[in-house]
Amino acid sequence: RKEVEQDPGPFNVPEGATVAFNCTYSNSASQSFFWYRQDCRKEPKLLMSVYSSGNEDGRFTAQLNRASQYISLLIRDSKLSDSATYLCVVKRRTGANNLFFGTGTRLTVIP
Amino acid sequence: ETGVTQSPTHLIKTRGQQVTLRCSSQSGHNTVSWYQQALGQGPQFIFQYYREEENGRGNFPPRFSGLQFPNYSSELNVNALELDDSALYLCASSLEQDQPQHFGDGTRLSIL
Repeated sequence: RKEVEQDPGPFNVPEGATVAFNCTYSNSASQSFFWYRQDCRKEPKLLMSVYSSGNEDGRFTAQLNRASQYISLLIRDSKLSDSATYLCVVKRRTGANNLFFGTGTRLTVIP
Repeated sequence: ETGVTQSPTHLIKTRGQQVTLRCSSQSGHNTVSWYQQALGQGPQFIFQYYREEENGRGNFPPRFSGLQFPNYSSELNVNALELDDSALYLCASSLEQDQPQHFGDGTRLSIL
C-alpha cells in the first residue's frame, strides 16, 4: 500500500468555485503533514502545513483527522492562478527527515 | 527564490551510461535530500545527507549513490542508466534535519 494516496484528478472547475482535495496516509507514525503546490515543469513549493486543529490561510483551509489518517485541502473562490498540481505530503516521526508525497491532484480553474 | 540551485537543468543520456547531478544547498543548510519524480507521479525519496554522511535511504538500488561536500553541496550519481530512470530529479535542502525542506528547480533527465 502506498504511504500517501490521493485522487489524481484532474479537477476542472470554474473561477469562483470551491474545490476540495482529499488524501489518506498509511503510516500511523506520520508526524507532520503538508500540502505542496507544483506548477507544470517546476519544483514543489510548500503551500501550507496541516495541523490537528485545522488551519486556514486566506482562501485555503487544511484539515487533519489523525484517527482516520485523512488530510484535506479546501480552496474557496478559485482563481485562474490556482491551476496547478497539489501534492499531499507526510513526514514520519522517526527515521530520516524525508517527505512522502502523494501522486498529486491536478487542478485546472477555467475562466 | 529558495536559493537551492541544481545543474544541469536538462540532460539526455543513453542506457548504460553514468550521470552526475549537482545541487548547491541554500546558505547555511546542512541537510540535503534527493528525490526522483517520474511523469505523473509524486517525488520519491532517494536519500538524504546530513553533514556529509548518508542519513537515510529510500527504495532505490545501489547504482544510485551520492556525496555531500564540506560546503554542504551534494551530488547524485546514477550508474548503468535504465530507461525508467527518466525523471525530474529534485534536490531539497534544510537548515537542520527536522526543518522544512526547500526544493531546487530540478534536473530533467531523459534516457534514450
